[in-house]
Amino acid sequence: SQKIEQNSEALNIQEGKTATLTCNYTNYSPAYLQWYRQDPGRGPVFLLLIRENEKEKRKERLKVTFDTTLKQSLFHITASQPADSATYLCALDAAAAGNKLTFGGGTRVLVKP
Amino acid sequence: EAQVTQNPRYLITVTGKKLTVTCSQNMNHEYMSWYRQDPGLGLRQIYYSMNVEVTDKGDVPEGYKVSRKEKRNFPLILESPSPNQTSLYFCASSTNRGPNEKLFFGSGTQLSVL
Repeated sequence: SQKIEQNSEALNIQEGKTATLTCNYTNYSPAYLQWYRQDPGRGPVFLLLIRENEKEKRKERLKVTFDTTLKQSLFHITASQPADSATYLCALDAAAAGNKLTFGGGTRVLVKP
Repeated sequence: EAQVTQNPRYLITVTGKKLTVTCSQNMNHEYMSWYRQDPGLGLRQIYYSMNVEVTDKGDVPEGYKVSRKEKRNFPLILESPSPNQTSLYFCASSTNRGPNEKLFFGSGTQLSVL
């Protein structure tokens, strides 16, 4: 089955700096990859989707890259703000895995003023 | 407002007492799913439904039942809850389960089984 690894250690970062999160996967080559934000006790909220044939996707201060050779996606938050503090989840969908979006365990980001 | 609504938000129950967690979406989505989230284990899919009267097992279906009699509703039923079902539960929906469909999640139901 698909395995997704995200750094379980919290990422502490100073306001204004760029936060970079990693998402590594094994087995199936995903058709696309999604990133979600989750605040404590709340449901995940969709942020970005990137397809296997796309190398980079941007949305405001967020940037996602997708390297199918390395089996890795990087998620960047530029000019980070305390309001960006949350847990960020990556999720993969592979045709070989059926109709299922498989989630990583998430990485918690804490932006300090 | 487009949303997925779960109820209740918090639930404490005892072992063996049947319970139902409701989920409703107002976006006319075909696809709906239930997840549970546990520390260190991430989000794991329990059941999903591609459309009315079509349901299928996810990764951790044991001890759970679902039904999809109407497009908007997808209740999660625990016939005989056990303490290992203590968890944070999320319902989610999307237009369909195609390759570029994002999921909309409910606010969650924190369940404690004593």
